[in-house]
Amino acid sequence: DQQVKQNSPSLSVQEGRISILNCDYTNSMFDYFLWYKKYPAEGPTFLISISSIKDKNEDGRFTVFLNKSAKHLSLHIVPSQPGDSAVYFCAAFLNQAGTALIFGKGTTLSVSS
Amino acid sequence: DVKVTQSSRYLVKRTGEKVFLECVQDMDHENMFWYRQDPGLGLRLIYFSYDVKMKEKGDIPEGYSVSREKKERFSLILESASTNQTSMYLCASSHRGPGNQPQHFGDGTRLSIL
Repeated sequence: DQQVKQNSPSLSVQEGRISILNCDYTNSMFDYFLWYKKYPAEGPTFLISISSIKDKNEDGRFTVFLNKSAKHLSLHIVPSQPGDSAVYFCAAFLNQAGTALIFGKGTTLSVSS
Repeated sequence: DVKVTQSSRYLVKRTGEKVFLECVQDMDHENMFWYRQDPGLGLRLIYFSYDVKMKEKGDIPEGYSVSREKKERFSLILESASTNQTSMYLCASSHRGPGNQPQHFGDGTRLSIL
């Protein structure tokens, strides 16, 4: 049973507009949530994270919002750029010894110029 | 910068062969992980290790084993390779400890089993 779900396999956005990538989770005990970005033929790179005690974290063009009551988080990219075209993975973490990140299946973002 | 190095970018092996995928990290991370990435399935955890000689099964350990004899090195072993193990394999590492410890990934090994 998937604990972290990214229900949209793909998203297309025009350059300069906002990209919103969504993620749902089932385990209310998760302590942290992270977003990773992956280009073809490269490993995923860490983008931004948020603690479960916060509802927003911002880093430049990237903002992550967390709605704990809805068990939902989203990544906003403003403004979107063609170089943002990649697969984005949402991940969740339980802060206990011997646990690992749990990843969603990813959303492919295409930003057209 | 953290560097996670996977020994091969591309590898072609035959069914039944024993296959070794090697991963080395240079940041003294306690935790190391092996994932496979398949289209439509995302990143699935095979095994991870949070200390030397320690290992934990992930979501899909069947057909795989791991070895962590030194802190910086984590090996994934396909005991008898099968075609359904054709995939992109990704190694990652992170510090242990409280708080958010992002995993750092290598560039992956694309393994084809013929």
